[in-house]
Amino acid sequence: AQSVTQLGSHVSVSEGALVLLRCNYSSSVPPYLFWYVQYPNQGLQLLLKYTSAATLVKGINGFEAEFKKSETSFHLTKPSAHMSDAAEYFCAVSRNSNYQLIWGAGTKLIIKP
Amino acid sequence: NAGVTQTPKFQVLKTGQSMTLQCAQDMNHNSMYWYRQDPGMGLRLIYYSASEGTTDKGEVPNGYNVSRLNKREFSLRLESAAPSQTSVYFCASSEDFGGAGTDTQYFGPGTRLTVL
Repeated sequence: AQSVTQLGSHVSVSEGALVLLRCNYSSSVPPYLFWYVQYPNQGLQLLLKYTSAATLVKGINGFEAEFKKSETSFHLTKPSAHMSDAAEYFCAVSRNSNYQLIWGAGTKLIIKP
Repeated sequence: NAGVTQTPKFQVLKTGQSMTLQCAQDMNHNSMYWYRQDPGMGLRLIYYSASEGTTDKGEVPNGYNVSRLNKREFSLRLESAAPSQTSVYFCASSEDFGGAGTDTQYFGPGTRLTVL
C-alpha cells in the first residue's frame, strides 16, 4: 500500500535560515506529488505540484521541491525563512486512481525571530 | 469568486444529535471531497463525489452520509454524533473528471465540530 512519511511533526528554524521539510513516499509508479500549506485557522492551499514535467518544482512564496525517484523523496525547501512562513505543511501523493490522495501527517514549521 | 464555502464555522453537539455540514463551490468543479483533520493524523478522506450524482466512500466513512445536491453543493451529515467525531472538517473541490486524482484540490475554511 502506498504511504507518505513526513519526518518531524515540528521543525523550528531561525528567520533567514534555510527551510527543509522532508517527505518520502512509497510507490511503484511515479506519482503526482503535492505540497499543501495550512496557515492557522485556515483551509489548505496548494504550494506546489510535481507532474513529471520537471524534477525541480517551483511553488509560491519562494518554496521549491525536488523529486528524487531513486530516493522516493520530495523534500520542500526555501533558502531564507520568513516569519510569515509559520504554518503546517502537508505532503500528499496521488494514487492515480479513485481520486484519493494519500496524505502525510503534516509538519508544523516554527520560525524563531 | 468565493471559491469553496462551508457552513457553519463552529458547532457544538451533544452525543446522539444530528447535523448537516454544508459545502458549496463556484469554480464549476466536477469533483468534491469531505475530509476530517485530527492532530498528528493529517487529512483523512470521508467521502468524495467524482461528478454530479455520484458519491463514494473514502478512508473513514462510518457514521457519515453525504449528498451531492447538484454540481455546486456537497453536504455531509452526521446522523447520530459521537465524541469520536470531534474534529475539523474540510470540504474541497477539484476539476478532476475520470478518477485520476491528479488535479489541485481547493479547500474551504473548515468547520470545527465538538461532540460532547
